[in-house]
Amino acid sequence: DTAVSQTPKYLVTQMGNDKSIKCEQNLGHDTMYWYKQDSKKFLKIMFSYNNKELIINETVPNRFSPKSPDKAHLNLHINSLELGDSAVYFCASSRAGGDQPQHFGDGTRLSIL
Amino acid sequence: SQQGEEDPQALSIQEGENATMNCSYKTSINNLQWYRQNSGRGLVHLILIRSNEREKHSGRLRVTLDTSKKSSSLLITASRAADTASYFCATDPPGGGNKLTFGTGTQLKVEL
Repeated sequence: DTAVSQTPKYLVTQMGNDKSIKCEQNLGHDTMYWYKQDSKKFLKIMFSYNNKELIINETVPNRFSPKSPDKAHLNLHINSLELGDSAVYFCASSRAGGDQPQHFGDGTRLSIL
Repeated sequence: SQQGEEDPQALSIQEGENATMNCSYKTSINNLQWYRQNSGRGLVHLILIRSNEREKHSGRLRVTLDTSKKSSSLLITASRAADTASYFCATDPPGGGNKLTFGTGTQLKVEL
């Protein structure tokens, strides 16, 4: 059973479109995250939710909006996609509190044409 | 800002040899973690070392932490072809609530 699953795995779309990426975890974790990995493999945190509440919101354009309907799901909606949004987006989860390892999904590869 | 930087950026060794990767960081930490990423896959947690620990072992992995030098190293002993992957260090700041900052990664290739 996949612990952290993201859909879709690949997303190819035109500039200006709106798209969503879904993430679900079955580990019973309270905290979920979204990361962006660029073409040089640099990984940067975007958002973090703890029990459906936003706790980390890095400097990310307003076009990116996370939504957590329950603590097992964290979706990412992106409006007005731009060329620079092309990247791999990773969802992760962990137990709440410090010293907790994070469990990652396999990523969503977003390509903007 | 980018917190951790791994060194070397790429490493190629023969199966059976040891591989050592280094990570340097800039600010205080609560803990430092190492992750592995296979091509086309998500990151997998390998080991976590707290700021008050100096060394930790897990199977063929050995991690050291020197907070005075703000550096850590990951040693993989008796490497296997299956160890071929990118390895990242990640730092968790004090009171950071698991807000990890990842390094630039070391690409390890283990050849038969």
